[in-house]
Amino acid sequence: DIQMTQSPSTLSASVGDRVTITCRASQSISSWLAWYQQKPGKAPKLLIYKASSLESGVPSRFSGSGSGTEFTLTISSLQPDDFATYYCQQYNSYSPPFTFGPGTKVDIK
Amino acid sequence: QVQLQESGPGLVKPSETLSLTCTVSGYSISSGYYWGWIRQPPGKGLEWIGSIYHSGSTYYNPSLKSRVTISVDTSKNQFSLKLSSVTAADTAVYYCARGIAAGLIDPWGQGTLVTVSS
Repeated sequence: DIQMTQSPSTLSASVGDRVTITCRASQSISSWLAWYQQKPGKAPKLLIYKASSLESGVPSRFSGSGSGTEFTLTISSLQPDDFATYYCQQYNSYSPPFTFGPGTKVDIK
Repeated sequence: QVQLQESGPGLVKPSETLSLTCTVSGYSISSGYYWGWIRQPPGKGLEWIGSIYHSGSTYYNPSLKSRVTISVDTSKNQFSLKLSSVTAADTAVYYCARGIAAGLIDPWGQGTLVTVSS
């Protein structure tokens, strides 16, 4: 199985901060990487797919980059609605299971 | 706008079979896409369980493959999950979802908590 890691596991930030979360895959997944946002008690929501493509309706302050084994999710100016847990996931169709990273919780500083 | 809703027992006894159904509205399952299940133990991360293509092809997590069956009922616009021989480790919120690709998930159902306990 492809293992996914994320850093940091927790991030304390203030409204307006630029926030970057890193995700690493144990082997190359090309650009088959998605980012999800989950708020407490809610289902995850797709933010980014194919490493850098913004899902329709997602604010442009979210962006993704990377390929191969290293990826980043950036929030350019953190808003109150962005305090949540973020998960990366590889979805290379040749490599199920489609594993998730352990998550990064973004909380209020 | 496609919406998904999980249904099924919230409590299952150890060694029994967990059965959940996902009802899809706003889109006909037979028209395309993948349809799948993901779970999240309380306070923990996400685990992909498996997906089924509208034509019937299935992808399962190898760690669960011997116990999992995902099927589609196009007449009811539903798909189902069966997980056999459950233990306390299978206690989780179970989400059904549409797969844009086999593993790319959007949107998700609201989730349903299933507890395995005697």
